[in-house]
Amino acid sequence: GDSVTQMEGPVTLSEEAFLTINCTYTATGYPSLFWYVQYPGEGLQLLLKATKADDKGSNKGFEATYRKETTSFHLEKGSVQVSDSAVYFCALRVTGNQFYFGTGTSLTVIP
Amino acid sequence: NAGVTQTPKFQVLKTGQSMTLQCAQDMNHEYMSWYRQDPGMGLRLIHYSVGAGITDQGEVPNGYNVSRSTTEDFPLRLLSAAPSQTSVYFCASSYSGLGNQPQHFGDGTRLSIL
Repeated sequence: GDSVTQMEGPVTLSEEAFLTINCTYTATGYPSLFWYVQYPGEGLQLLLKATKADDKGSNKGFEATYRKETTSFHLEKGSVQVSDSAVYFCALRVTGNQFYFGTGTSLTVIP
Repeated sequence: NAGVTQTPKFQVLKTGQSMTLQCAQDMNHEYMSWYRQDPGMGLRLIHYSVGAGITDQGEVPNGYNVSRSTTEDFPLRLLSAAPSQTSVYFCASSYSGLGNQPQHFGDGTRLSIL
């Protein structure tokens, strides 16, 4: 069935370090892929999305490229800030309405 | 720009009590869903709806009921609260049938069952 596998955390980085959070997926169709961010005590917010192969989603310095050949959608940021500390969720949506979420990766950025 | 609104934000119940978690969206989304979030388990789908009058079960429906009488509202009912239902509950909505559209989430209801 359809699923998302996400890099387990927690991840701790120093400010200005490079971030990668791995996400791979299994899907029978042609899914759209999303990254969500959850700040403490809040709901999930859409961070970026990509809807077809080779699309690159970007927002707030974060990027992820939809790689069909490796079924991956890894999240990257070149220089993290303390304010990026949050939980990050990878998700996919297949044709129709069903969404599948990864288990989330907690990121802590220390000054 | 309200988006998805959940009430209450916090609730403490005793075992056996019932309650309704409210969810409303103002984006005219057809698809609405309820998730619970537990440590280390990500989001698990409880129930979902593709439009007014249509609901279906998700991954963990036991102990919960839903109804969808309007496009805007999608309440979640706990019939007889159990400590295992202590969790954070999120309501989400999206356009139906458009596979490239994301879900929009409320801020959650933090529920403790004693």
